Amino acid sequence: GAVVSQHPSRVICKSGTSVKIECRSLDFQATTMFWYRQFPKQSLMLMATSNEGSKATYEQGVEKDKFLINHASLTLSTLTVTSAHPEDSSFYICSARSGDLSYNEQFFGPGTRLTVL
Amino acid sequence: AQSVTQPDIHITVSEGASLELRCNYSYGATPYLFWYVQSPGQGLQLLLKYFSGDTLVQGIKGFEAEFKRSQSSFNLRKPSVHWSDAAEYFCAVRGNNNDMRFGAGTRLTVKP
Repeated sequence: GAVVSQHPSRVICKSGTSVKIECRSLDFQATTMFWYRQFPKQSLMLMATSNEGSKATYEQGVEKDKFLINHASLTLSTLTVTSAHPEDSSFYICSARSGDLSYNEQFFGPGTRLTVL
Repeated sequence: AQSVTQPDIHITVSEGASLELRCNYSYGATPYLFWYVQSPGQGLQLLLKYFSGDTLVQGIKGFEAEFKRSQSSFNLRKPSVHWSDAAEYFCAVRGNNNDMRFGAGTRLTVKP
């Protein structure tokens, strides 16, 4: 149980295009989802927190107009990288938590590798 | 603010040798602590977690960690390392908003 999926696992796009990444909780309802970003050989940095049905809360330094987050249902959150540039190339990982499961634990997706040419 | 520090960027051990990866946390109350492992190009796998109770926590793949409040530490140990343990290891603490605050990671290399 407690599986989180991400789609796509890998995406290559041209500079200036937008890319949407999906994060789904497959067997539980995720009241909160988190989006992290990981540059090569670095740690994961929290980008934003999204609660179902409300606006996402962005960490300092993360452009909300560039990284659009939608958490429209209890099983799906999407991250859209708008007008992507090469510096946006990174590994994006989502996680989800539910008050019905282990309250203090998050369940991580497998990640999406974005390469912007 | 909650944070964790992993002092060792890279550790090399011989296969069969014991392993200890260090993690120090900064948190006012009782922290919720985690260890994750990440293989190259892969997502995170939870090894173990500490919320409360017994300070010695057993995890998967033969790993264990000990919570020491007096030292603000949560070090990860394994008595005998296997070549397949080579990976990046992250210590994390739960933040106030239920997010995760990760350490910088420790890369483990296993020599044959």
